[in-house]
Amino acid sequence: DIQMTQSPSSVSASVGDRVTITCRASQGISSWLAWYQQKPGKAPKLLIYAASSLQSGVPSRFSGSGSGTDFTLTISSLQPEDFATYYCQQANSFPFFGPGTKVDIK
Amino acid sequence: EVQLVESGGGLVQPGRSLRLSCAASGFTFDDYAMHWVRQAPGKGLEWVSGISWNSGSTGYADSVKGRFTISRDNAKNSLYLQMNSLRAEDTALYYCAKSKYSSSSYFDYWGQGTLVTVSS
Repeated sequence: DIQMTQSPSSVSASVGDRVTITCRASQGISSWLAWYQQKPGKAPKLLIYAASSLQSGVPSRFSGSGSGTDFTLTISSLQPEDFATYYCQQANSFPFFGPGTKVDIK
Repeated sequence: EVQLVESGGGLVQPGRSLRLSCAASGFTFDDYAMHWVRQAPGKGLEWVSGISWNSGSTGYADSVKGRFTISRDNAKNSLYLQMNSLRAEDTALYYCAKSKYSSSSYFDYWGQGTLVTVSS
């Protein structure tokens, strides 16, 4: 199985900050990676697929990059509605999620 | 508008069975693979199982293999998860999720989930 790790596990940030979350796969997955946002009590929401493609309706302040084993989700200017938990997910074989990164208010 | 509505969750004793359902609408159901993803209370996301558009291919997480069975009825636009030999560690909110493409593992729509609690 391909395992996923994320760092940091949590980050405190302010509105307007640039936030970067890293995801690493235990073996190469090309660009088979997605990012999801989950708010408390809500279902996850797809933000990025194929490592860098923005899902329809998702604000352009979200961007993804990387390939192989190392990936990054960047929020260019954090907005109040962005405080949430973010998960990466590999889609190369059986889907596997990372442990999540909680973004909260500093 | 795409809608996924799960049902069938509840409180069940260890070792017993439960069948979850997911009613889909707003898209051509038989064009897409479908999946179940669960989330234990306060924990992260865990993919449980997936099924291809024509039921020709299925997959399961190691944690449920041999105990859970995924199926679909394209005529009824419905997805199912038969859960047998339930364990305490199966306690979770179970989400139904649609593949973004016909056979991908990117999940572009999710239901609101149905809660399964396994306890004596």
